[in-house]
Amino acid sequence: DIQMTQSPSSLSASVGDRVTITCRASQGISNHLAWFQQKPGKAPKSLIFAASSLQSGVPSKFSGSGSGTDFTLTISSLQPEDCATYYCQHYDSYPLTFGGGTKVAIK
Amino acid sequence: EVQLVESGGGLVQPGGSLRLSCAASGLTLSDHYMDWVRQAPGKGLEWVGRTRNKANSYTTEYAASVKGRFTISRDDSKSSLFLQMNSLKTEDTAVYYCASARSDYSGWFYFDFWGQGTLVTVSS
Repeated sequence: DIQMTQSPSSLSASVGDRVTITCRASQGISNHLAWFQQKPGKAPKSLIFAASSLQSGVPSKFSGSGSGTDFTLTISSLQPEDCATYYCQHYDSYPLTFGGGTKVAIK
Repeated sequence: EVQLVESGGGLVQPGGSLRLSCAASGLTLSDHYMDWVRQAPGKGLEWVGRTRNKANSYTTEYAASVKGRFTISRDDSKSSLFLQMNSLKTEDTAVYYCASARSDYSGWFYFDFWGQGTLVTVSS
């Protein structure tokens, strides 16, 4: 199974800060990587697929990059509504697996 | 507007069975693979399994933790997805989400829409 490791597990930043979350796959997955946002008590929301492609309707302050084993999710200017847990997930092979999540809070 | 609505969750004893349903609207189900993903209380997301579309013969894949106990099926004519869960264990307690998956530019399937989830509690 491919293991997905996210870092950090939590972070706090100020409004307007640029925030970066990293995700590392235990083996190469090309660009078969997605990112999700989950707010407390809510379902996950799809943000990015193919490592860097924005899902329809997702604001452009979210961006993704990477290929192979190392990936990043960036929020260009953190706002209070971005407080959530973010998960990466690979879809390169079965079983599909998720990272452990990164909880983002406002400082 | 795409909607995925799960139902069928509840309290069940260990060893028991439960069948979850997911009603889809606003998307062409035949274009999509359909998945179940679960989340134990206070924990992260865990993929449960997938059913491919008609073009791929509705074949299925499962996580090792549920293989042989859970069965995924779909009825595209009724825009519905199902999860039959047998021999339930306390560790199956979770919110179960259905999710649709569509093909990216290279033919790999990624999650696009999610339901709101239904809670399954396995306890005596």
